[in-house]
Amino acid sequence: EVQLLESGGGLVQPGGSLRLSCAASGFTFNNNAMSWVRQAPGKGLEWVSTISASAGSTYYTDSVKGRFTISRDNSKNTLSLQMNSLRVEDAAVYYCARLSEGAAPAAADFWGQGALVTVSS
Amino acid sequence: DIQLTQSPSFLSASIGDRVTLTCRASQGITPYLAWYQQKPGKAPKLLIYPASTLQSGVPSRFSGSGSGTEFTLTISSLQPEDFATYYCQQLNSFPPWTFGQGTTVEIK
Repeated sequence: EVQLLESGGGLVQPGGSLRLSCAASGFTFNNNAMSWVRQAPGKGLEWVSTISASAGSTYYTDSVKGRFTISRDNSKNTLSLQMNSLRVEDAAVYYCARLSEGAAPAAADFWGQGALVTVSS
Repeated sequence: DIQLTQSPSFLSASIGDRVTLTCRASQGITPYLAWYQQKPGKAPKLLIYPASTLQSGVPSRFSGSGSGTEFTLTISSLQPEDFATYYCQQLNSFPPWTFGQGTTVEIK
């Protein structure tokens, strides 16, 4: 059974840092690119970042470039998102998502349950 | 960046109704359009990708069609478990992979 379990969410002050992790199981982790997608309270989905299966390529939405870093440890089946210089507008549920195998471009075919990030003073 | 506009934003329908949701792109994206379903408090679920291919396990009452800049998601006979918010996402041009603003389907 495919499982994606996010952790590391919480309350942080503006300007602070937080690191999200996503533990993957039930599939061959190093075969799939992975993404983070967020959803602010009562709002729609927003793609944040994607990392290729080998970690050789990373992509970010403009609003987080230079502040967030996506990484993965294929030996530990773990995806991470280091978030620095957090802003009030970064507050959201952050979902870890698996991109489907095969021909690119790939859609997110499995999602974790989400980690809540609150940015407030 | 490619913009996606979903219509309507809100739809009220009855059990058994046929409903059609639309997603319009600011430029051609055939066939790299995905549809997701999200229920309150839950993670999104991939229904269709690419534009007309139903994902494994998704009921056949769901179907996707379209090309170029206009795409539709149709539910042939609305069931109680289908009341949710539906998002389209383009994967043709990245980054960014953009989502539409969503269509919420509620019970009339």
